[in-house]
Amino acid sequence: QKEVEQDPGPLSVPEGAIVSLNCTYSNSAFQYFMWYRQYSRKGPELLMYTYSSGNKEDGRFTAQVDKSSKYISLFIRDSQPSDSATYLCAMSAAGAAGNKLTFGGGTRVLVKP
Amino acid sequence: DTGVSQDPRHKITKRGQNVTFRCDPISEHNRLYWYRQTLGQGPEFLTYFQNEAQLEKSRLLSDRFSAERPKGSFSTLEIQRTEQGDSAMYLCASSLDYLGQGSSDEQFFGPGTRLTVL
Repeated sequence: QKEVEQDPGPLSVPEGAIVSLNCTYSNSAFQYFMWYRQYSRKGPELLMYTYSSGNKEDGRFTAQVDKSSKYISLFIRDSQPSDSATYLCAMSAAGAAGNKLTFGGGTRVLVKP
Repeated sequence: DTGVSQDPRHKITKRGQNVTFRCDPISEHNRLYWYRQTLGQGPEFLTYFQNEAQLEKSRLLSDRFSAERPKGSFSTLEIQRTEQGDSAMYLCASSLDYLGQGSSDEQFFGPGTRLTVL
C-alpha cells in the first residue's frame, strides 16, 4: 500500500463548478502538505502549502488538512477550463531526510466549457 | 525567467548509452532535489543536496545513477548503461532552507527532462 493515496480520476466538471480533490495518507510523521498542479508534459507548479491541521485560502483555492483523519483536501471555486490539469498532493516530515516530498499519484481534472 | 531550468528538455537514447542531465536551481536556493516521474504516477524522490553536499539517496537510485552539485550551484544527474526502465521524466526542484533548522521548505520544480530509452 502506498503512503499517499489519491484517486486518479478523471474528474470532469462543468465550468464554474467547485472542484473537490482529496488525498489520504498513512505516515503520521507528515506535517507539511502541498498541492501541485501539473499540465501535460510540464513540471509541477506549487499551488498551496500548509503546515499541520487547518484551512488555508488563496484566491479560488482552499486547502484543508485533518491530521487526525490523515486526510487532506483541495477545493477550487469557480473552475475554469484552464484549471484542467493533473493535481498532485505532496507531503513531508519535518527535520530528517531533507524534507523529501512524498506524492500521491495525481488526479486528472477536466473542466468543460 | 528566474525559475528552475533543466537541460535538455527531451533526450532519446539507445539502451546501454550514458546520459547526463543538468539542473540550474533558483539562484539563492541552497537545496536541490531530483525526482523521477513515470507516466500516470506522482514524482518519486531520488536524491537531494544541501549546498554541495549530497545528503540522501533513495534506494531507487541504483549504482548506475550518480548526481553531483559542484560548488553548490547547478547539478548534474548521470545515468550509465541506460535501460528501458529508465524511461521517465526527471524533475529537479530547489528550495531555500532559510531557517536552517531542517524545517520543510517550499520546493519549486523545473520543467523536467523527458528520457526515452529505445
